[in-house]
Amino acid sequence: EVLLVESGGGFVQRGGSLRLSCAASGFTFSSYNMNWVRQAPGKGLEWLSFISSSSRTIYYSYSVEGRFTTSRDNAKNSLYLEMSSLRTEDTAIYYCARDVKIPGRPSHPIALDSWGQGTLLTVSS
Amino acid sequence: VMTQYPLSLPVSPGEPASISCRSSQSLRLSDGYHYLDWYLQKPGQSPQLLIYMGSRRASGVPDRFSGTGSGTDFTLEISRVEAEDVGVYYCMQTLQSPCSFGQGTKLEIK
Repeated sequence: EVLLVESGGGFVQRGGSLRLSCAASGFTFSSYNMNWVRQAPGKGLEWLSFISSSSRTIYYSYSVEGRFTTSRDNAKNSLYLEMSSLRTEDTAIYYCARDVKIPGRPSHPIALDSWGQGTLLTVSS
Repeated sequence: VMTQYPLSLPVSPGEPASISCRSSQSLRLSDGYHYLDWYLQKPGQSPQLLIYMGSRRASGVPDRFSGTGSGTDFTLEISRVEAEDVGVYYCMQTLQSPCSFGQGTKLEIK
C-alpha cells in the first residue's frame, strides 16, 4: 500500500523558516516524481512544487519560488520542503503527492495519484 | 488560468452530473495528449485522483466517472450520482509549470 506521511508543520512567526518532510513507503520512491500542494483554511488547492525522481528537474509556483526549496533523499525515501521568509498567507495544510508514471514524459508533472494526509503550518503575525 | 463551473452543484441521487473546466490556453501537448486532471476532495479527506490526461480513469475509480474534452474545454461527468460522491471537485492542468487548479466545484446531494 502506498503511504505518504507528512510531518514538520506547526506554528511559526512571520519571516521565520521551517522544513516539512514527507516519508514514503509501499512503493519504489526513487522511481517516482513527487509534488507539494497546499490548501489554505477553507480555500482551494494550490500546486507548489515538483521534483523529478533524480532531483534533476524542480519546478515551483510563482508564489513560493525563491522562498521555498524542494529536495529529496531517495536513500531515506523522503521528500522535503524547506520554507523561509514565511508569510501569514503561507498558512495552510501542506500535502505531498506522488506523480503518475507515464513513459514519454519523465520529468514533468502529470497527475497526483497518491496523497498524504497533510501537515498544518500556521504563520502568525 | 483554470475556470470551473458551476461552483455549486446540487444533485439528486441517481441523477447525472456534469462539471466543466475551461483553460485559458490549449492543454494539448505535441504528443497528442491533453494534460488535464480531475480530483475529488471528500469532506475531511485529502484529494484523490479521478481522471488524468483528460480521459484516463485512475485506478479504483468507478466507471460512472468519465472525463471528456479537448483543447481548452473539458468536462467531468458522473453518470449516476451516489451519496459518496459529495465533496469538492477540482480540475488541474499539468501541461506546463506552474501547474494550476480550478477554483473547485462543490457537489451536494439534494
